Amino acid sequence: KAGVTQTPRYLIKTRGQQVTLSCSPISGHRSVSWYQQTPGQGLQFLFEYFSETQRNKGNFPGRFSGRQFSNSRSEMNVSTLELGDSALYLCASSLGPLESSGEYFGPGTRLTVL
Amino acid sequence: GENVEQHPSTLSVQEGDSAVIKCTYSDSASNYFPWYKQELGKRPQLIIDIRSNVGEKKDQRIAVTLNKTAKHFSLHITETQPEDSAVYFCAASRGQKVTFGTGTKLQVIP
Repeated sequence: KAGVTQTPRYLIKTRGQQVTLSCSPISGHRSVSWYQQTPGQGLQFLFEYFSETQRNKGNFPGRFSGRQFSNSRSEMNVSTLELGDSALYLCASSLGPLESSGEYFGPGTRLTVL
Repeated sequence: GENVEQHPSTLSVQEGDSAVIKCTYSDSASNYFPWYKQELGKRPQLIIDIRSNVGEKKDQRIAVTLNKTAKHFSLHITETQPEDSAVYFCAASRGQKVTFGTGTKLQVIP
């Protein structure tokens, strides 16, 4: 099975711009979660999607949003970028909410905001 | 919501010694506890997990124990090797709501 893929792998943006990141889960996985990883804050949960619905949301401002498509692929969007948004954004897929199972992470998108 | 605390934040051991990382959680409804290893510049990878109906699980040199009453779980690595050097994250999960610990940077000194 192919693993979780994320595009793009690297992004450089300037303050005020917006960005869209994409995640394709493992085939058969229907749940996708997004995390922000920074050296000082560890893995911070952004949101989780299942069946095109956001089921859980972390403590991030409304500038961070996401969606999931019928094929389980997911995108996240960050608007009005700030310097502090520079981070590694990881998505992870899993079977679904009815079965507690491990998450499988993608390689991440490294976002740098200048 | 769930709160997961992880200790220590850094850990250095001599090659061949054992390493233990401990986590506590707050939500008694959490029923799944995975551990992830993240090597420098790489994605976190699931290395072992335990469900709430099990007290201990082993996989070669790694083992995880769970004490539901005390709401804590631990990762044990025996006979450590340099390739075990990484950041380890514990997590507690209820359904698909996952809360991660803050990570432990393990350094194995040859």
